This record gives sequence, structure tokens and C-alpha cells, in this order.
Amino acid sequence: NAGVTQTPKFRILKIGQSMTLQCAQDMNHNYMYWYRQDPGMGLKLIYYSVGAGITDKGEVPNGYNVSRSTTEDFPLRLELAAPSQTSVYFCAISDGWGKNIQYFGAGTRLSVL
Amino acid sequence: QKEVEQNSGPLSVPEGAIASLNCTYSDRGSQSFFWYRQYSGKSPELIMSIYSNGDKEDGRFTAQLNKASQYVSLLIRDSQPSDSATYLCAARLGAGNMLTFGGGTRLMVKP
Repeated sequence: NAGVTQTPKFRILKIGQSMTLQCAQDMNHNYMYWYRQDPGMGLKLIYYSVGAGITDKGEVPNGYNVSRSTTEDFPLRLELAAPSQTSVYFCAISDGWGKNIQYFGAGTRLSVL
Repeated sequence: QKEVEQNSGPLSVPEGAIASLNCTYSDRGSQSFFWYRQYSGKSPELIMSIYSNGDKEDGRFTAQLNKASQYVSLLIRDSQPSDSATYLCAARLGAGNMLTFGGGTRLMVKP
């Protein structure tokens, strides 16, 4: 998956629990993104980052937080998990110039029960 | 609200036929368009990108863009059962970095 590693692959949370989804890249790309994909739906952007120390909200940021302290890592934090956050989460990277193609990690499948 | 629309399908075609997947977008400022293939349970993988009006061919795949009609399509020639997947259309506004995705079209190629 184009140098993008997501952990864990699967996770079951109870309502109200918190967790961090990890995303690491070895491509030295500046841009990183978090998407969620609900069953049978397209991808919705949660947060993105254009470089270390810089993050911004996407289309569906409520209930999530991010940080970007290094170029390599872009963790996504879920606080007080809710059933509505049951989804598959994808991290993506792009180099931020030229065609700026986005490449995706393998995803994290999260269930909140 | 910027939208990218796709028919969810499933689109069923026989092996060897041409599969035609369509996508419309609402924002006239969109400049770049991408087709991703997503197998069940897997992540999206890029198969085509197109930036200017007309056709772009890559092997069995042809992407078509008509900015006046705000329409993008993907043609798959000589469809194979291994092409069975969900195809996601995405649009990027101007020189920005954000992609807006459609809901995807599920393609089924029957032997």
C-alpha cells in the first residue's frame, strides 16, 4: 500500500471508549489525510495535514482529533466513541505537487458497540 | 456543496464486453479527476487520472472528460471477472489538495 502503514487492522470499541488509529508513511510525503468509508458509500475526509505541525478539518471532523508532530506519522484520535463512528478508516498520502496523486493505506475496520 | 455523483449499480456486464462507468460533478472549478478501483475489503487503488477534455487511454482503460457537461466516464474494454470491484470517481477543485469522492459504482463481470 504505497508505503502507508495503518494499525490496527481491526478494532472493536465499547461506547464511550477512546482509541488512536495510527498511520505511518515512509515516502517522505508532505500531505496526509484521514478518510472514513461507511458501508456502500464513498470516502469522506475527516482531517488532513500539509506538513508537520499543520492540520485542518475536512468534511466530517466532529468526534475526532489529529496531530502531526513528524512527517512520518499522522494519528487519528477518537474520543468517547459512538456507534456512528463504526466505519472503515483510511489514511492517504500525497506529495503535494505535480499531479499530487493520493495513495491509500490498507485501512482500519472499527466497530463501536 | 461540492458533489460527485455516481450510479451505485451494480452494473453487470458479460466477460469480454465493454463496461461504461459514469460520473457527474457539480463544481465547475474542478480541474482534475481520478478513477480508483476498490476490491471488497481492500483500499482504493488509482487506475486512471485525467486533467483535460477528451479521452485518455491506458491499456484496457479509457477515461473520458467533458468539462462543459461536467461529466467523467471510465470505459473498460474486454472486461474480465477480475475487474469486478467498486469504482470510485473523485474530483479535485483547482490546484487544491482535497478530493471529493462519489459513492462508487459496483461492477460485476460475469464469466
